[in-house]
Amino acid sequence: GQNIDQPTEMTATEGAIVQINCTYQTSGFNGLFWYQQHAGEAPTFLSYNVLDGLEEKGRFSSFLSRSKGYSYLLLKELQMKDSASYLCAVPLLSGGGADGLTFGKGTHLIIQP
Amino acid sequence: KAGVTQTPRYLIKTRGQQVTLSCSPISGHRSVSWYQQTPGQGLQFLFEYFSETQRNKGNFPGRFSGRQFSNSRSEMNVSTLELGDSALYLCASAQVPNTEAFFGQGTRLTVV
Repeated sequence: GQNIDQPTEMTATEGAIVQINCTYQTSGFNGLFWYQQHAGEAPTFLSYNVLDGLEEKGRFSSFLSRSKGYSYLLLKELQMKDSASYLCAVPLLSGGGADGLTFGKGTHLIIQP
Repeated sequence: KAGVTQTPRYLIKTRGQQVTLSCSPISGHRSVSWYQQTPGQGLQFLFEYFSETQRNKGNFPGRFSGRQFSNSRSEMNVSTLELGDSALYLCASAQVPNTEAFFGQGTRLTVV
């Protein structure tokens, strides 16, 4: 089976940096996704990591270590609009390939002035 | 281009009834997946369709079913509704499976 763990809630200050961790267990690996979801809205894609290392995209970066089953999302220069839930997800493996995603329960990030 | 469109946005049904939800993917996207989101369980995978074929199904009872049409539009059906089926149902489309997925705004289903 698959299992994903991430902290339930984190608090950070505007302008600061925050790291949201995600650990996963899966029988096979086919990449890891991060999504952002504001309250009452649909999730939006942030990043996809399939190889080890850091991928940077503006204020957001995502890191992956396949040997450790570990990823993190790094948010720099935090803004109030970054208050949202951040969801870590891995593809579900089926006989035909990777179909659908298993999501973690999400990390609710609160940004304080 | 237009995003993923889900209809209806809100729905109230009575226990025992059935419901059909619709999802129109982004033009050119052939993969459609469905998720149930609740405060307690988070986002849970229901099923995925690609080129009209169900490729994978999550751990939900047989009351939950779906299909995909030749134009990639998808529907999901829930029969014999239970109170616990109250949730936000999200549809996501992608060009092919296991690539960046774009979510619709969801259908908020309330079963009373």
